[in-house]
Amino acid sequence: RKEVEQDPGPFNVPEGATVAFNCTYSNSASQSFFWYRQDCRKEPKLLMSVYSSGNEDGRFTAQLNRASQYISLLIRDSKLSDSATYLCVVTFSSGSARQLTFGSGTQLTVLP
Amino acid sequence: IAGITQAPTSQILAAGRRMTLRCTQDMRHNAMYWYRQDLGLGLRLIHYSNTAGTTGKGEVPDGYSVSRANTDDFPLTLASAVPSQTSVYFCASSDSRQGGTEAFFGQGTRLTVV
Repeated sequence: RKEVEQDPGPFNVPEGATVAFNCTYSNSASQSFFWYRQDCRKEPKLLMSVYSSGNEDGRFTAQLNRASQYISLLIRDSKLSDSATYLCVVTFSSGSARQLTFGSGTQLTVLP
Repeated sequence: IAGITQAPTSQILAAGRRMTLRCTQDMRHNAMYWYRQDLGLGLRLIHYSNTAGTTGKGEVPDGYSVSRANTDDFPLTLASAVPSQTSVYFCASSDSRQGGTEAFFGQGTRLTVV
């Protein structure tokens, strides 16, 4: 089983739609959680961190459920510019080292 | 230099050749990482370094080596390239001492081994 698993996608949605991505992680000792966005042929960039209390940034809402080891990202009122691959990222400490583990990504295409 | 820089941006390499991918950051981050990204497999960790002078193996370390002689540089070496190492390679850094801080990525190196 992969350490971080995401919805396989791809998601094709019309402009204005609401879309949700899910991510599960296997390591219960995971400490930090993030959503990254990656545009085609570009490097990943941080979209938002994910906190236990849930957090919102404009049209984006991220939630974490530690008991179920589950992370979600909700995008409301989708824009064409939201088309990208969304990566779930989990960090944990292994001894003195900190590792970032990525999900395989979920591709979103917002259609006009 | 602003942030994290990789070189080269792309390379075509003959199988069996040795190659070093360079990565430099100017943010004084303690942690650095090398990932490869392949279609359908996402980003997979090759090697990481939590601090200068130490390195560790990630998920797919075979065929790769790294060194961390100082805080800023984290080169990745392919001793004898094989076609299965054709991929996009991303270097990243973070200040892991600060807990849940973000990782910053270089622009990537597209490597084709023929």
